[in-house]
Amino acid sequence: GAVVSQHPSRVICKSGTSVKIECRSLDFQATTMFWYRQFPKQSLMLMATSNEGSKATYEQGVEKDKFLINHASLTLSTLTVTSAHPEDSSFYICSAGGGVAFSYEQYFGPGTRLTVT
Amino acid sequence: QKEVEQDPGPLSVPEGAIVSLNCTYSNSAFQYFMWYRQYSRKGPELLMYTYSSGNKEDGRFTAQVDKSSKYISLFIRDSQPSDSATYLCAMSALSNTGKLIFGQGTTLQVKP
Repeated sequence: GAVVSQHPSRVICKSGTSVKIECRSLDFQATTMFWYRQFPKQSLMLMATSNEGSKATYEQGVEKDKFLINHASLTLSTLTVTSAHPEDSSFYICSAGGGVAFSYEQYFGPGTRLTVT
Repeated sequence: QKEVEQDPGPLSVPEGAIVSLNCTYSNSAFQYFMWYRQYSRKGPELLMYTYSSGNKEDGRFTAQVDKSSKYISLFIRDSQPSDSATYLCAMSALSNTGKLIFGQGTTLQVKP
């Protein structure tokens, strides 16, 4: 399968600061990338879908001004958590879809553990 | 009611046992069905996918989809301790968004 990386793998930040998480598809071009968050012992909840060169589509209840998503190239998407608060602490996972109009095959990154103190 | 229901377990079985993992769903528009394996603190790894109804086999893994009952299953034969992980079902409607809806995940422990 394709390889997706995330950086950093773990980050601790103070309340009120912003944190950027990078998601890279290493060996294929991803026209679509997805951002999920996962609470302990919970499933993955889709936050937003981003297509290269266009604005991200956010799921209901996700604040787009708080979770800024940029998909500037076919191999890189970033998620910035702005003015982070302790309730934003979670496991954030990205996935990348293949370069077709619809692909049910998503390749997931290893995740980023965010802790806001 | 959640769109996808999955018993979180945990499920504990002895090595060599046959494991049955299941999900039910409510949205009849779902056409693509996937099973992911997730180890602790790692991202999910795609195990199998099935389009529409039917069975699919890959080594020790068999995926079944019964659209009439809105029920999908993953069977693991000759389970190994290395199969210990959380198994997530995921589904997608026939669309061009690629949006996946995940079950809660079932935690499996295979004891040596």
